[in-house]
Amino acid sequence: GAVVSQHPSWVICKSGTSVKIECRSLDFQATTMFWYRQFPKQSLMLMATSNEGSKATYEQGVEKDKFLINHASLTLSTLTVTSAHPEDSSFYICSAAGYAGELFFGEGSRLTVL
Amino acid sequence: GENVEQHPSTLSVQEGDSAVIKCTYSDSASNYFPWYKQELGKGPQLIIDIRSNVGEKKDQRIAVTLNKTAKHFSLHITETQPEDSAVYFCAAGSDLYSGGYQKVTFGTGTKLQVIP
Repeated sequence: GAVVSQHPSWVICKSGTSVKIECRSLDFQATTMFWYRQFPKQSLMLMATSNEGSKATYEQGVEKDKFLINHASLTLSTLTVTSAHPEDSSFYICSAAGYAGELFFGEGSRLTVL
Repeated sequence: GENVEQHPSTLSVQEGDSAVIKCTYSDSASNYFPWYKQELGKGPQLIIDIRSNVGEKKDQRIAVTLNKTAKHFSLHITETQPEDSAVYFCAAGSDLYSGGYQKVTFGTGTKLQVIP
């Protein structure tokens, strides 16, 4: 199957700083990528849909100024958590849509805000 | 919007036995039903999917059935092995052909433990 890479796999930061997470489709082009948030022992919650060359579409309740998404190329989308606080600590996962529309997920990025 | 319920939340089976996980969905417009396996600390991995024009699909030890009238679908794992232990998520969504991508809603997950 197609490979989606996320970086970093884990990050620890101080409260008030910003953190950028990258999501790359390694062997295919992805016009659309998705960002999810997952709390321990819970399901994935869609945060936003990232479209190459246009603004991201955020789900209800997700602060777009808090979670900045950029999809500048067909293989890269980034999620920046701005002015992070402890409550932003979570497992963030991206996915990219393949040619047949199926979703391929990254390995996830664990963010811990101190 | 779509609402997906998944049962059971935890499931323990003896190695070699079968495991069945069931999901229901609410939106009759959903036509794509993937299943994902998530190991601890990793992202979900697609293991099988089914579209609404098909009632059943099988891939080796894994099978999925879909009852569109009743709005439920199930994952069946036969001859379970310890490496099948993980959290399994069902999902339901729409094939957005114009956009070329799927937007899916996930179930709440089932933690499967296969006891050697």
